[in-house]
Amino acid sequence: SSELTQDPAASVALGQTVIITCQGDGLRDSFANWYQQKPGQAPRLVIYGKNIRPSGIPDRFSGSNSGDTASLTIIEARAEDEADYYCNFRDSSGNRLVFGGGTKLTVL
Amino acid sequence: EVYLVESGGGLVQPGGSLRLSCVVSGFTFDHYAMHWVRQVPGRGLEWVASVSWNSVSLGYADSVKGRFTISRDSATNSLYLQMNSVRTDDTAFYYCARGWELFFWGQGTLVTVSS
Repeated sequence: SSELTQDPAASVALGQTVIITCQGDGLRDSFANWYQQKPGQAPRLVIYGKNIRPSGIPDRFSGSNSGDTASLTIIEARAEDEADYYCNFRDSSGNRLVFGGGTKLTVL
Repeated sequence: EVYLVESGGGLVQPGGSLRLSCVVSGFTFDHYAMHWVRQVPGRGLEWVASVSWNSVSLGYADSVKGRFTISRDSATNSLYLQMNSVRTDDTAFYYCARGWELFFWGQGTLVTVSS
């Protein structure tokens, strides 16, 4: 299957740690990429490959994979981290991208 | 600095056609695969189509296969999406993005399909 499943919503207290997960059979052989999207803005890549952060992404963000599940961990959550988070991967055909449904993160 | 600028969105009637463009700058266009991703307002991201760096390999979502065509022009650093036989469920923001990691994104162009 090329589907990715994310919980629709998550919440974290200010300064605490949250883990957002993404599950799918395709992740057994591929790394997930993670994107942050704030209202009215285009998505922004925050993690790609084996836990690589693009320039400008704080080291509070990290990614990991285990079996069929990829995880995005945000430590010391800030109000500015409140956003929608999407995972995706390039499927085995090499010609397709598959997105998860997204997780809306609320910082309390 | 990297820029991706989409254009060509607008109102189109069901069954009609539209051509989206994405002009890029700040990187070597020929080195990267390019993609279109869409998003219905208030909903999630949906991959639409991909083209390899040399246009040899193309990929389409099942929802657009046979109706949409992705192409690129290295002479003008431009990516295109020809949208034919559009349907109301094609209404969305359309983003272009660079590379298989979708490292950089444009700001999107809104396509509204309505009679």
